[in-house]
Amino acid sequence: DAKTTQPPSMDCAEGRAANLPCNHSTISGNEYVYWYRQIHSQGPQYIIHGLKNNETNEMASLIITEDRKSSTLILPHATLRDTAVYYCIVYGNKLVFGAGTILRVKS
Amino acid sequence: DSGVTQTPKHLITATGQRVTLRCSPRSGDLSVYWYQQSLDQGLQFLIQYYNGEERAKGNILERFSAQQFPDLHSELNLSSLELGDSALYFCASSVAPTRRGSEQFFGPGTRLTVL
Repeated sequence: DAKTTQPPSMDCAEGRAANLPCNHSTISGNEYVYWYRQIHSQGPQYIIHGLKNNETNEMASLIITEDRKSSTLILPHATLRDTAVYYCIVYGNKLVFGAGTILRVKS
Repeated sequence: DSGVTQTPKHLITATGQRVTLRCSPRSGDLSVYWYQQSLDQGLQFLIQYYNGEERAKGNILERFSAQQFPDLHSELNLSSLELGDSALYFCASSVAPTRRGSEQFFGPGTRLTVL
């Protein structure tokens, strides 16, 4: 499974866009990038996934670079409830969770 | 609410004992996954079942076993428990595993404390 690298923590002001980066330089051509988040000790929650095109859903947008070696998850208008650990995962045949990024949204 | 249910919510037991954790997947989901989350190891994939058959294995100890029943619910059995087995155990379900993966829906977890 391709390894991902994420910053350990980030802060974001409430109402502003939160941009969470992820590096996955060893990703293979047919591997998808998945994002999940975990709020406190709740079960992880699926956010979005993509292969090479940018994706958007009701929760977030995913921007994948043309060489697919990195991606950015964008929460367009962060709220306090978006404070969580965000995991970027390259899907091989299973979800391998790293340490993720702790996003703190502050008022 | 993800639609995945797990019982019990909390479990306290002693070293050397055996426990069973139960998971009911979302209606229509055929695949079930088990994960362990401890403070020092993070969230670790244990095992996956699809329509009753084992599909993928992760870092699951030999003292642990799982199965998926014909009604698609799953059980994770943990035996000869050690202090280090104290953790949150999550179950997740998805429609079907594909090459590209599929969205997994996680349950609320079972918190196991081994004393």
